[in-house]
Amino acid sequence: ETGVTQSPTHLIKTRGQQVTLRCSSQSGHNTVSWYQQALGQGPQFIFQYYREEENGRGNFPPRFSGLQFPNYSSELNVNALELDDSALYLCALQGNTDTQYFGPGTRLTVL
Amino acid sequence: SQQGEEDPQALSIQEGENATMNCSYKTSINNLQWYRQNSGRGLVHLILIRSNEREKHSGRLRVTLDTSKKSSSLLITASRAADTASYFCATDALSNYQLIWGAGTKLIIKP
Repeated sequence: ETGVTQSPTHLIKTRGQQVTLRCSSQSGHNTVSWYQQALGQGPQFIFQYYREEENGRGNFPPRFSGLQFPNYSSELNVNALELDDSALYLCALQGNTDTQYFGPGTRLTVL
Repeated sequence: SQQGEEDPQALSIQEGENATMNCSYKTSINNLQWYRQNSGRGLVHLILIRSNEREKHSGRLRVTLDTSKKSSSLLITASRAADTASYFCATDALSNYQLIWGAGTKLIIKP
């Protein structure tokens, strides 16, 4: 049990729509990373936030955006959804060590 | 792109046997981590090994790292049905924030 929560657990959207996924923790981890995991694949790094600023970004287009709030909760926003965006979206929190603590994920299906 | 490559892709063994999974990576790293994922849910951190370490133990887990061969192995001794999961290695090759993942090894423990 990592103490990291994500909402919603499942989501179905249609192409062109927008989606917001949320991540939070009871502990004050100051770094949050978001990953996309397609079925049968390893996670792909989307971006990371540290103290409310984007701290690095993977190979994802600008329609993937994020926010981190003062209470260290975070959002991942995806605009203009495409079929290939269907995946498990994971957030991971990190404190002062190299270990990342993952939430259970949000499974997004785009029809 | 994926940095790590796990081998084998799938492994099925009898309960009580040992399971060995391998991971190879392409560039220099600061550390390598192993994670477990049950049924497409969140990832659970198992163990981290730093580039200056060669072997590390945690309970029934034993991890080795050979930086000259850019490879790591995860050994699970005395396997249990509850060990059935996918196992991923992740490296921090590009920076200390972006973890790069392999596609995972799917481990099935037969009772």
